[in-house]
Amino acid sequence: DVKVTQSSRYLVKRTGEKVFLECVQDMDHENMFWYRQDPGLGLRLIYFSYDVKMKEKGDIPEGYSVSREKKERFSLILESASTNQTSMYLCASTITGRGQFFGPGTRLTVL
Amino acid sequence: AQTVTQSQPEMSVQEAETVTLSCTYDTSESDYYLFWYKQPPSRQMILVIRQEAYKQQNATENRFSVNFQKAAKSFSLKISDSQLGDAAMYFCAYRSPLGGSDSNYQLIWGAGTKLIIKP
Repeated sequence: DVKVTQSSRYLVKRTGEKVFLECVQDMDHENMFWYRQDPGLGLRLIYFSYDVKMKEKGDIPEGYSVSREKKERFSLILESASTNQTSMYLCASTITGRGQFFGPGTRLTVL
Repeated sequence: AQTVTQSQPEMSVQEAETVTLSCTYDTSESDYYLFWYKQPPSRQMILVIRQEAYKQQNATENRFSVNFQKAAKSFSLKISDSQLGDAAMYFCAYRSPLGGSDSNYQLIWGAGTKLIIKP
C-alpha cells in the first residue's frame, strides 16, 4: 500500500514564526503536491513538484515556499506565519493512472 | 479555466438507503478524468472512484457508482445501501493535464459535500 506521512497532525505556531511541514512518501513517486483545505473552498493547490529540486506554483503560492531535495520528501515552508494561514494542510503524491494518495493532514493554527 | 461545482454542501440519508451526490464541471477539453474522493472525519482522503471521459460506461466500485453525462458535464456519485462508515466529506475532482504525462497533473476540486448517515 502507498504510504504518505506528514510530520505533525496538529501544530500551533505564533505569528511571524517560520513553519516547516514535512511530507514523506514511500513509493518512489515522482509527483508530490501541497494543498490547503478550508471549509467551503475545497482543496486549493499551493505548490507541486514533479521531480527532485523541481517545483511549480499552484493556485495560492503566496506566503509559502517548498523544498524537494530528495524524491521521497516534499516540504512546505511558511517563511513568516500569519493568522490567515491557519488551515488544514494536505500532502499528496501520485501514482500513474491511480489518482492522488493523501497524507493524514496537518491542522495548523497560527495565533 | 476548468471549474468544479458541488452544489450540495450537506446531504443526509437513512442507513441502507441510496443517496446521490451531484457534481458539475466546466471544461473545453474533450479528454480528461474525473474523480470522487472521500474524507472521513479526522482520517485521510481516499480515492473512491475514477472515470475516464472517453469511456461511455459509468465506473462502478462495489456500492459506489457514477452517472457520467459528458454532454451535460455532470458527474454524480451514487452510494447504494448506505452504511455508517460512509459518513464523510466527499469531493469531486477534475484532472487538468500538464504536459501530457499520465502522472504529471493537477486536480481541480469542488468545495465538497458533507454526507450524514442516519442510523
